Amino acid sequence: RKEVEQDPGPFNVPEGATVAFNCTYSNSASQSFFWYRQDCRKEPKLLMSVYSSGNEDGRFTAQLNRASQYISLLIRDSKLSDSATYLCVVNPPGAGSYQLTFGKGTKLSVIP
Amino acid sequence: DAGVTQSPTHLIKTRGQQVTLRCSPKSGHDTVSWYQQALGQGPQFIFQYYEEEERQRGNFPDRFSGHQFPNYSSELNVNALWLGDSALYLCASSHKTAHYGYTFGSGTRLTVV
Repeated sequence: RKEVEQDPGPFNVPEGATVAFNCTYSNSASQSFFWYRQDCRKEPKLLMSVYSSGNEDGRFTAQLNRASQYISLLIRDSKLSDSATYLCVVNPPGAGSYQLTFGKGTKLSVIP
Repeated sequence: DAGVTQSPTHLIKTRGQQVTLRCSPKSGHDTVSWYQQALGQGPQFIFQYYEEEERQRGNFPDRFSGHQFPNYSSELNVNALWLGDSALYLCASSHKTAHYGYTFGSGTRLTVV
């Protein structure tokens, strides 16, 4: 099983739609979780951290279910500018573990 | 305030050659990590440098080596290039006390022919 697995995508949605991305991780002792956004041929940029209590930033909501080892990202009222690849990211456990483990990414295209 | 800068932006090398990629971290950051992103894949951790030493390493062969300088800038060296080394190489910097606050550079796109 891969360390971080995401919906394969791509997702093609109309403007204004709500879209949800799902992600699972294999190591139950993982401590930190993030969603990054990557535009075509650009670097990844942190979209939001994910907390057990769930967190919201404007149109974006992230949820973490530790029991199911599952992370989600919900985008409401999609904009054309939301078109990008969304990367699920986990910081694996272990003393001195400074690396980020990325999923393969799910591509979102928001259509006019 | 400059973010993370990487050079060169693009590079074409022949199999068997060696390559050096460079990274200058964001102002105030003292830790540099390197990632490899193949087409259609997520970035994969190569290694991280702090205080001029390799602090952690991912699952990459010894052909991949690095260095960090006193000014916190870093180099990634790859020897004996394979076709499979063709990828986007990303540098990410952070501060030792906030190592989850990574800032990525725009990367070096390496093509091995």
